[in-house]
Amino acid sequence: KAGVTQTPRYLIKTRGQQVTLSCSPISGHRSVSWYQQTPGQGLQFLFEYFSETQRNKGNFPGRFSGRQFSNSRSEMNVSTLELGDSALYLCASSLDQTSYEQYFGPGTRLTVT
Amino acid sequence: AQSVAQPEDQVNVAEGNPLTVKCTYSVSGNPYLFWYVQYPNRGLQFLLKYITGDNLVKGSYGFEAEFNKSQTSFHLKKPSALVSDSALYFCAVRDRNTGGFKTIFGAGTRLFVKA
Repeated sequence: KAGVTQTPRYLIKTRGQQVTLSCSPISGHRSVSWYQQTPGQGLQFLFEYFSETQRNKGNFPGRFSGRQFSNSRSEMNVSTLELGDSALYLCASSLDQTSYEQYFGPGTRLTVT
Repeated sequence: AQSVAQPEDQVNVAEGNPLTVKCTYSVSGNPYLFWYVQYPNRGLQFLLKYITGDNLVKGSYGFEAEFNKSQTSFHLKKPSALVSDSALYFCAVRDRNTGGFKTIFGAGTRLFVKA
């Protein structure tokens, strides 16, 4: 069974631009969570979607948004990019509300210049 | 508020020796606890979890962890370290009363195993 896939793997953007990252969960998984990983702040929870509904949200500004489609694929969008948004963005999928483990994708490395 | 502390930025151990990576947590209710490992340029891989029951949990690659409620700790252990265990290890906690998969991660501990 294929793992979690994230596209693109690497991205370079300029301050002020916006970016959309994509995540395809493991087949059959219905929950998708997004995390931001930086050297200074570590891993921080962004948001979680289950059956197309946002279920939990972390402490990030409104420039960070996401959505989930009916096939469980998810996208996250960051508008008006700032230098501090440079990070590895990780997506994780889980089967449903009865499971415990999260399965992580390889991440998208975003660099903002 | 939930939090996770990994007091050591780095742990060095010789191959064949036992290893311990420390983790303490703070959560209002009863926690779900996890360990993940990250290799360079890769996402996180699940190692083991504590949900309920036996305080000693066994996971992948020979790792185990002991849940200690009174000390709010969940230390990761392995009886005999391998060079290939060298990686970044994250302890994580989830409040079982919150619902969903919002998970709080520690800062990570880099493990170096020397041959």
